[in-house]
Amino acid sequence: AQSVSQHNHHVILSEAASLELGCNYSYGGTVNLFWYVQYPGQHLQLLLKYFSGDPLVKGIKGFEAEFIKSKFSFNLRKPSVQWSDTAEYFCAVNEGGGADGLTFGKGTHLIIQP
Amino acid sequence: DVKVTQSSRYLVKRTGEKVFLECVQDMDHENMFWYRQDPGLGLRLIYFSYDVKMKEKGDIPEGYSVSREKKERFSLILESASTNQTSMYLCASMRTSGYYEQYFGPGTRLTVT
Repeated sequence: AQSVSQHNHHVILSEAASLELGCNYSYGGTVNLFWYVQYPGQHLQLLLKYFSGDPLVKGIKGFEAEFIKSKFSFNLRKPSVQWSDTAEYFCAVNEGGGADGLTFGKGTHLIIQP
Repeated sequence: DVKVTQSSRYLVKRTGEKVFLECVQDMDHENMFWYRQDPGLGLRLIYFSYDVKMKEKGDIPEGYSVSREKKERFSLILESASTNQTSMYLCASMRTSGYYEQYFGPGTRLTVT
């Protein structure tokens, strides 16, 4: 079975700091990779996704992620965070070519201090 | 925009009650999913469905069942609710062709007392 590890459960940063959230997955085959975000009181929404092609993917709100196949990693980055980025972030994976459910990491609670 | 709706945002039930959580999507997606979300555990897949009347077990199906009688509707059933089923329940839908992006509903926070 697949597993997804998110290295940091709680991260506190100041505004304008750079962000990198780690994500590693266990599946060795072709995968689809996602980062979802859940703002306080809101439903889960997609930040970005990787299916194939350029391993550096850009998402909404200035986020990007890099797929490094050799490291089984899909880390999320943002060069300069804002207070409004305070949220819970989830990395997720499913097997490429499959329509099964996603396997999620346990989430990272990000707090941005003004 | 895809819209996934769930019948209740908050629900309080007693131990032993039968509980129905309803989910409806309006984009004619073939696939639908039920997850539960718990602090520190992330989201875990309970059941999913590829098509009407089809269902597949996810990672934590024990204590749950599902029903999909119409393409747009996917129900999660707790036959006899227990306190360890207190959780946030999220429904999602996804089309089969193209990119496998799941769209989530707002969630139902269920408390079993």
